[in-house]
Amino acid sequence: KNEVEQSPQNLTAQEGEFITINCSYSVGISALHWLQQHPGGGIVSLFMLSSGKKKHGRLIATINIQEKHSSLHITASHPRDSAVYICAVRSSGTYKYIFGTGTRLKVLA
Amino acid sequence: DADVTQTPRNRITKTGKRIMLECSQTKGHDRMYWYRQDPGLGLRLIYYSFDVKDINKGEISDGYSVSRQAQAKFSLSLESAIPNQTALYFCATSDVGRGSYNEQFFGPGTRLTVL
Repeated sequence: KNEVEQSPQNLTAQEGEFITINCSYSVGISALHWLQQHPGGGIVSLFMLSSGKKKHGRLIATINIQEKHSSLHITASHPRDSAVYICAVRSSGTYKYIFGTGTRLKVLA
Repeated sequence: DADVTQTPRNRITKTGKRIMLECSQTKGHDRMYWYRQDPGLGLRLIYYSFDVKDINKGEISDGYSVSRQAQAKFSLSLESAIPNQTALYFCATSDVGRGSYNEQFFGPGTRLTVL
């Protein structure tokens, strides 16, 4: 079993829909990182959080440390949100990142 | 200007050739990393470096070597490329300062195909 699990693996939505991507992990962490990988391959940082909730534009990330779970929400989704979303955790006491396998999101116009 | 750059962006080579992938950063970070990404798998760590004199193997270092020429430059070499090294390669950097969470910043990736 992977130490970082994302669900769903693939998601297709209609423009305007509210989207939720989930990340569960089984190790102790000091922080969790949500990343977006564009169709061309580049990876950009969305959020890094260790507790609570963060919001940036139409994106919201939450984390529940006790439940070892994080969610990434996209409100009013748009075709330009189509990408792979990757959850990565930083193991407690280490520099190491452990990556999920990603959620491939496609938003249809 | 991009903070983390990788060259080349795409490379096609033949089995047995030596290949070097280069990474440069202007973020002033001490820590640099090389990862590879394969379809259906999460990114996996090949090598990492905490400073110019500190280089360490990651989980999949066999068949690879690295060189940290300066704080800003970290190169990955495939001494004798083989087809199962076909993948997308990412360089990343991170700061070690307090409050940084060791957040990693990624380069644009190098798509390597070994025939």
